Amino acid sequence: GQQVMQIPQYQHVQEGEDFTTYCNSSTTLSNIQWYKQRPGGHPVFLIQLVKSGEVKKQKRLTFQFGEAKKNSSLHITATQTTDVGTYFCVPNSGTYKYIFGTGTRLKVLA
Amino acid sequence: NAGVTQTPKFRVLKTGQSMTLLCAQDMNHEYMYWYRQDPGMGLRLIHYSVGEGTTAKGEVPDGYNVSRLKKQNFLLGLESAAPSQTSVYFCASSRLVTTGWVDEQFFGPGTRLTVL
Repeated sequence: GQQVMQIPQYQHVQEGEDFTTYCNSSTTLSNIQWYKQRPGGHPVFLIQLVKSGEVKKQKRLTFQFGEAKKNSSLHITATQTTDVGTYFCVPNSGTYKYIFGTGTRLKVLA
Repeated sequence: NAGVTQTPKFRVLKTGQSMTLLCAQDMNHEYMYWYRQDPGMGLRLIHYSVGEGTTAKGEVPDGYNVSRLKKQNFLLGLESAAPSQTSVYFCASSRLVTTGWVDEQFFGPGTRLTVL
């Protein structure tokens, strides 16, 4: 079955530093979604990637989908304290089930 | 629009008791999901529904039952609660985009359940 690894599990950065989290799948994906969950909150959708090699930007956030559609990354430039939370990749292999990864917990030190 | 709402927000049960969690969405979404999240963990899919009257098992379905009698509601039942079911339960909904995948999932605020 599909196995997904998200690394790192935890990341502490100084405010202003960059941050990247990676999501790697053992199988080819149809698409991948990214979510952010603030401490004590619920997951909130960030973006969905569909095409091989796709790159999308949202202000300081850059999302990439690998050429082979087996991996994805989220990069945050110049982190701010508002970026604190857990970032989840949610890959999909063409079914109606979305399996959340373990997430990367980001702490930003002011 | 209220989006996705969950009832109740908090609940404490004793082992062996039963309860039903209610999820309601007002976005006319076809797909609805129930997840559980344990401390420091990701979300695990319990059951999901691709339309009114249909349900399917997710990753961790044991000990739970669901029903989707109306398109806007998705109920999660615990017949005989166990301490291992202590968790935060999230409901989500999404619309169908095309065969094989759906659009973004909208999550409810969660229900914090403790089983003693």
